[in-house]
Amino acid sequence: GQQLNQSPQSMFIQEGEDVSMNCTSSSIFNTWLWYKQDPGEGPVLLIALYKAGELTSNGRLTAQFGITRKDSFLNISASIPSDVGIYFCAGLYTGGFKTIFGAGTRLFVKA
Amino acid sequence: EAGVAQSPRYKIIEKRQSVAFWCNPISGHATLYWYQQILGQGPKLLIQFQNNGVVDDSQLPKDRFSAERLKGVDSTLKIQPAKLEDSAVYLCASSPGTSGYYNEQFFGPGTRLTVL
Repeated sequence: GQQLNQSPQSMFIQEGEDVSMNCTSSSIFNTWLWYKQDPGEGPVLLIALYKAGELTSNGRLTAQFGITRKDSFLNISASIPSDVGIYFCAGLYTGGFKTIFGAGTRLFVKA
Repeated sequence: EAGVAQSPRYKIIEKRQSVAFWCNPISGHATLYWYQQILGQGPKLLIQFQNNGVVDDSQLPKDRFSAERLKGVDSTLKIQPAKLEDSAVYLCASSPGTSGYYNEQFFGPGTRLTVL
């Protein structure tokens, strides 16, 4: 089945640092999504990307849809303690409804 | 606007027992999803309903899992009999649209199932 490879698995950073995480796939997707999940909660959508090469920002978050349509990255600038959580990439492949999730990047921010 | 509601939040059962989870989506949302999230992994789609019809259940272990959305609103997911490997968080999500482009999915808080 289709798989997304998300890296890194976890990150320990200092408050104020910038963070970058990425997702790659062997399959082409026509939509890339980035979610954040807090403990005991469901994932919440952060950014949705619909076109190859698209660069989209949401506050301190910036995400890009890779031009090959097989990868995406998420950057968080000037991290703060409330950025702690699990960040998931997800993709929808051409012609499908199913959302495929990566395994997540666990972010820890030290104040 | 109320979010996706799920109950119970936690459930502990012994293997071979049965369990059911309930989900009430956001009012007016046509599409409802059940995901299984095993510890340390991302959510995996089990079944997707559009109104009260099944769109995709290709990853639902149909020998033990069943789901229904009889009136196109709330939904139940059942496991009978449960196995140890069914221990996971079961997430329900809903989205407003029915067409073939991406509709944002809104997730509930999940039900954490522990099978002993």
